[in-house]
Amino acid sequence: QKEVEQNSGPLSVPEGAIASLNCTYSDRGSQSFFWYRQYSGKSPELIMSIYSNGDKEDGRFTAQLNKASQYVSLLIRDSQPSDSATYLCAVKGSNYKLTFGKGTLLTVNP
Amino acid sequence: KAGVTQTPRYLIKTRGQQVTLSCSPISGHRSVSWYQQTPGQGLQFLFEYFSETQRNKGNFPGRFSGRQFSNSRSEMNVSTLELGDSALYLCASSLEGSSTDTQYFGPGTRLTVL
Repeated sequence: QKEVEQNSGPLSVPEGAIASLNCTYSDRGSQSFFWYRQYSGKSPELIMSIYSNGDKEDGRFTAQLNKASQYVSLLIRDSQPSDSATYLCAVKGSNYKLTFGKGTLLTVNP
Repeated sequence: KAGVTQTPRYLIKTRGQQVTLSCSPISGHRSVSWYQQTPGQGLQFLFEYFSETQRNKGNFPGRFSGRQFSNSRSEMNVSTLELGDSALYLCASSLEGSSTDTQYFGPGTRLTVL
């Protein structure tokens, strides 16, 4: 069983729309959850971190965590073409090891 | 602060050779993790070092090894290279690798094995 799963996409949304990215994880002892963005040919950069159930907002980005359902999501409001990238969900498990999903490719069409 | 740096940025090797990659963490960061990224497998954890000790290890063969120096700089070594080792190798640093620490990635080393 995969430890962190994401829809591989590609997910295509029009400019200005809301993009919704989802992630599930298997380790119930997981403590910390991260969303990274990776542009083609570049290394991952952190967008959001979330540690407790509920929503966390930062500008156009909202991370949502539901530990009971073992589910974490990222919403991008007012999507821009510059948001086109691969989004990686990362989960820090009970052993402090950071495990990544395979990523969701997002394309925002002008 | 300067970010995470990795050298070299690109490497071309042939099967059977060995390679050493270097990573300098952000100043003050003591935890260094290494990842292999391939199109098929995504980002896979290799190992993590903290205070010169390997604290966590992924599911890679013994050909993959690493070490950390007293200044927190880290190296990873791959011996007896195989074609399948061609990948982007990423290093990430964090303060102490605790549950809430954020990992910051370097630009990566692109390894091609011919």
